[in-house]
Amino acid sequence: EAGVTQSPTHLIKTRGQQATLRCSPISGHTSVYWYQQALGLGLQFLLWYDEGEERNRGNFPPRFSGRQFPNYSSELNVNALELEDSALYLCASSFGASWLDQETQYFGPGTRLLVL
Amino acid sequence: KQEVTQIPAALSVPEGENLVLNCSFTDSAIYNLQWFRQDPGKGLTSLLLIQSSQREQTSGRLNASLDKSSGRSTLYIAASQPGDSATYLCAVLYGGATNKLIFGTGTLLAVQP
Repeated sequence: EAGVTQSPTHLIKTRGQQATLRCSPISGHTSVYWYQQALGLGLQFLLWYDEGEERNRGNFPPRFSGRQFPNYSSELNVNALELEDSALYLCASSFGASWLDQETQYFGPGTRLLVL
Repeated sequence: KQEVTQIPAALSVPEGENLVLNCSFTDSAIYNLQWFRQDPGKGLTSLLLIQSSQREQTSGRLNASLDKSSGRSTLYIAASQPGDSATYLCAVLYGGATNKLIFGTGTLLAVQP
């Protein structure tokens, strides 16, 4: 069974540009989560999508947005990039809402974004 | 505020030693707690998941315990090996509308051959 996949593996952008990160969940999983791991800040929750809807977002500005497609894959968009957006962005998936189904979240390998 | 703290931040041990990593959380209304391993520049590998109703879980040389009332979890690694070197993260799942994992600060483990 294929795991969670993310693309690209690395992304280099300049300040002010937009970045688009992609995530494909494990087959059958309907929930997708995005986390940011910035240097010195640890892993922080960004967004949760389930059945195409945004269900919850972390303490991030509106320039962090995303969507979930009918096939449950997801995009994370970061507009007006700032230097501090440089981080490893991890995507995870679960079958339904992980707390309801007592399901673990399975993580992808991440996309490393560097903003110059 | 829901916070997760891990102690120690870094640990270096000789191969073969048994070791304990600690995780504490401020809000005990958790659904489950997970221990992850992260290798440099890589994603997360789930090691053990403990449901809120459970006290411990074991997998091979790993044993994780959970004490909800005191807001603590420990990860015990027996007979450590150089391949165990990684950052270990604990994460607490809160339910309801949040449904998010709150991650600890991590423990960087180095096992010396």
